[in-house]
Amino acid sequence: DAGVTQSPTHLIKTRGQQVTLRCSPKSGHDTVSWYQQALGQGPQFIFQYYEEEERQRGNFPDRFSGHQFPNYSSELNVNALLLGDSALYLCASSLSAVDTIYFGEGSWLTVV
Amino acid sequence: QKEVEQDPGPLSVPEGAIVSLNCTYSNSAFQYFMWYRQYSRKGPELLMYTYSSGNKEDGRFTAQVDKSSKYISLFIRDSQPSDSATYLCAMRERYSTLTFGKGTMLLVSP
Repeated sequence: DAGVTQSPTHLIKTRGQQVTLRCSPKSGHDTVSWYQQALGQGPQFIFQYYEEEERQRGNFPDRFSGHQFPNYSSELNVNALLLGDSALYLCASSLSAVDTIYFGEGSWLTVV
Repeated sequence: QKEVEQDPGPLSVPEGAIVSLNCTYSNSAFQYFMWYRQYSRKGPELLMYTYSSGNKEDGRFTAQVDKSSKYISLFIRDSQPSDSATYLCAMRERYSTLTFGKGTMLLVSP
């Protein structure tokens, strides 16, 4: 049973560029959330998707957007990258909003 | 005041020691409490999941929740070098998302 899978694992972007990160949830899960984890910090909630709609959103600017597909996979897009966007981006999945939440290994984004 | 407070450590112990990791929180609406283990440059791995107050044991790990004091703990018995990692506490309201502490780095020396 595959867990939460994310791609790419590492990437380097230049300030001002755009990036797309991808996530496949754990088998049977329908809810996908994205978190940003800066070095030495705990993960911070970005947004959550259910039934292809954004259900909740954390305190992140509109440069951060997402999408959920009919097969429950998800993308995180970040526009106009800033140096401060350098972080580990974590995808998490669950069966509905009240179930146990499982994380993927993350995508390391470095903005130079 | 942050919603969840967690001492970042590092906490250094010898192999075989009992480890105590703690978090305090301010939001009385939190109902679900979790501990995740995170190895360097990896995603968080769920260790313990508890609902409301009480104790839960799983092998060498025991999670405690005291809602009256807004305090949760994770105990690790017979600690091993392979337990060296960052331990994140996380909690949430019923239909909400996770709020994490900053994580405590644990170092278990042979």
